[in-house]
Amino acid sequence: EPEVTQTPSHQVTQMGQEVILRCVPISNHLYFYWYRQILGQKVEFLVSFYNNEISEKSEIFDDQFSVERPDGSNFTLKIRSTKLEDSAMYFCASSTGKRSEKLFFGSGTQLSVL
Amino acid sequence: AQKVTQAQTEISVVEKEDVTLDCVYETRDTTYYLFWYKQPPSGELVFLIRRNSFDEQNEISGRYSWNFQKSTSSFNFTITASQVVDSAVYFCALSDRNQGGKLIFGQGTELSVKP
Repeated sequence: EPEVTQTPSHQVTQMGQEVILRCVPISNHLYFYWYRQILGQKVEFLVSFYNNEISEKSEIFDDQFSVERPDGSNFTLKIRSTKLEDSAMYFCASSTGKRSEKLFFGSGTQLSVL
Repeated sequence: AQKVTQAQTEISVVEKEDVTLDCVYETRDTTYYLFWYKQPPSGELVFLIRRNSFDEQNEISGRYSWNFQKSTSSFNFTITASQVVDSAVYFCALSDRNQGGKLIFGQGTELSVKP
């Protein structure tokens, strides 16, 4: 079965540094998402992306965050100046349609901000 | 506002026992979707089921079954004859018709199945 691929699986960075988390969604999918999960807590929606623009974003997704689809296959999440509280597992997901279709999630990138 | 509550934080059972994971949701929308995802120790989120609000028929898939009751706003998940490989965190999630892939997740229930 096709899968969503995320790299790296673990990322350690210093507070204030920029990080880019990378995702390769399933090839025929059109909708892309980022979610995060702080250790021991629930999974939270960050942003959805369609047709090269943000469809919706949560309160968490402030000016420090940005997303991009730089080419036909990659989907990235950038955090400009990381904070300690950005430490979390970040999940990328994709789907074929908008109407609450099944989301395929990647295995996640564990981000640790020191 | 939408909300999903999974009151059971942790459940521990012995292999072959049946176990039910509870999920209660809140939404003002008449059209919405409910999901269950499994998060094994390896960390990925594995899709289990999607159910729309107009389909209250219960569903069975192997040892898994789901009981959707709109009257009580619940979407409970039962594992019959549990196995050690069922050990994971299980998340219930909600989305409405207009929010596409924005899922509202519950806190999750950590299921531990002991041999």
